[in-house]
Amino acid sequence: DAGVIQSPRHEVTEMGQEVTLRCKPISGHNSLFWYRQTMMRGLELLIYFNNNVPIDDSGMPEDRFSAKMPNASFSTLKIQPSEPRDSAVYFCASGPGQGFTIYFGEGSWLTVV
Amino acid sequence: SQQGEEDPQALSIQEGENATMNCSYKTSINNLQWYRQNSGRGLVHLILIRSNEREKHSGRLRVTLDTSKKSSSLLITASRAADTASYFCATEGGKLIFGQGTELSVKP
Repeated sequence: DAGVIQSPRHEVTEMGQEVTLRCKPISGHNSLFWYRQTMMRGLELLIYFNNNVPIDDSGMPEDRFSAKMPNASFSTLKIQPSEPRDSAVYFCASGPGQGFTIYFGEGSWLTVV
Repeated sequence: SQQGEEDPQALSIQEGENATMNCSYKTSINNLQWYRQNSGRGLVHLILIRSNEREKHSGRLRVTLDTSKKSSSLLITASRAADTASYFCATEGGKLIFGQGTELSVKP
């Protein structure tokens, strides 16, 4: 299996632009997670899906952030408009269900200037 | 807010020594997991211990869990330079929440 695939790996964008991060989970996994990692705040859970349905989005920082999972093999995290404080590494992870380990992608490194 | 809190934040040891990292958490959990992150990479799962287990081993790793104290420890025995990484505990009580991590440096 190719593992969790994220794109883009690196993105530099200007403040105010829309950013879309993409994730392909491991086939057969029915849980998908979006995390954000910064030096200041560590690894924060933004949102997670179960069977393509958002279960908990309490970690989404504000309305500028939105996430979708239109099918079992694809999810997006969108930031519109982006701000410099959104600069971070965004990780997608998937797992076979609650109570099991999760598998991380290599992350999308976002810099907003 | 973070559920797990690791201690120490940073640890530097010599190759061959043992490394112990601790994790404390606040609420009841279903299981506790330890992950490793090499610089610039995603997190990799190391070991999972369920709430009804007290100790678990995997190779050079030993994890303990004390639910009465809401704490766990990760012991890496006979450390190697390749063990240099950040180590995170994550608590699962419906969703997986990570602590701030311990940065381990193993000097050859």
